[in-house]
Amino acid sequence: EDQVTQSPEALRLQEGESSSLNCSYTVSGLRGLFWYRQDPGKGPEFLFTLYSAGEEKEKERLKATLTKKESFLHITAPKPEDSATYLCAVQAPGNYQLIWGAGTKLIIKP
Amino acid sequence: ETGVTQTPRHLVMGMTNKKSLKCEQHLGHNAMYWYKQSAKKPLELMFVYNFKEQTENNSVPSRFSPECPNSSHLFLHLHTLQPEDSALYLCASSPQSDRGPNSYGYTFGSGTRLTVV
Repeated sequence: EDQVTQSPEALRLQEGESSSLNCSYTVSGLRGLFWYRQDPGKGPEFLFTLYSAGEEKEKERLKATLTKKESFLHITAPKPEDSATYLCAVQAPGNYQLIWGAGTKLIIKP
Repeated sequence: ETGVTQTPRHLVMGMTNKKSLKCEQHLGHNAMYWYKQSAKKPLELMFVYNFKEQTENNSVPSRFSPECPNSSHLFLHLHTLQPEDSALYLCASSPQSDRGPNSYGYTFGSGTRLTVV
């Protein structure tokens, strides 16, 4: 069964303390992996799409990487405004819908 | 306005009430989606509309009734809900549903926080 697992469930960091969020998936033949950011009381906001192993995308303090089994969202020197829930979703071949993870809640303390 | 707009933002309803959620998109997309988001759970796809036609119903109880009068508007009619239906209901859009999200993913609205009492 196609599945997406995100870890950890929650992560508390000090401002400036770099770390990574994990998204592991069991999908045969990935069509795309998507990262979203969701602030409290708002809908998910698109961050990145990755298509093939080895691909990397960057945006400000965030960098997403992809292997054949997982993706990492690396956050470098985070600031309190980076606090949010980060969602991962994958698209399997032959299925145009996304399979979602439960998210990682990131809290950055000043 | 641009993007995806959902109204109301918050809704409290009794189990015998009838209410509707509204979603409007100004992106020129042809596919619209309803998702349910419960705490610490993955997003649950409820309904998909592509060019106004419903293409997917993920075994959603009949107390949820979607309506898509055109590619820009989507409604979710609610009646005789249960307390476990309390959640954040998200609307999303994309260019076409039969091709999945494009490289820019789905565009989501801010959601309606529904509380059933």
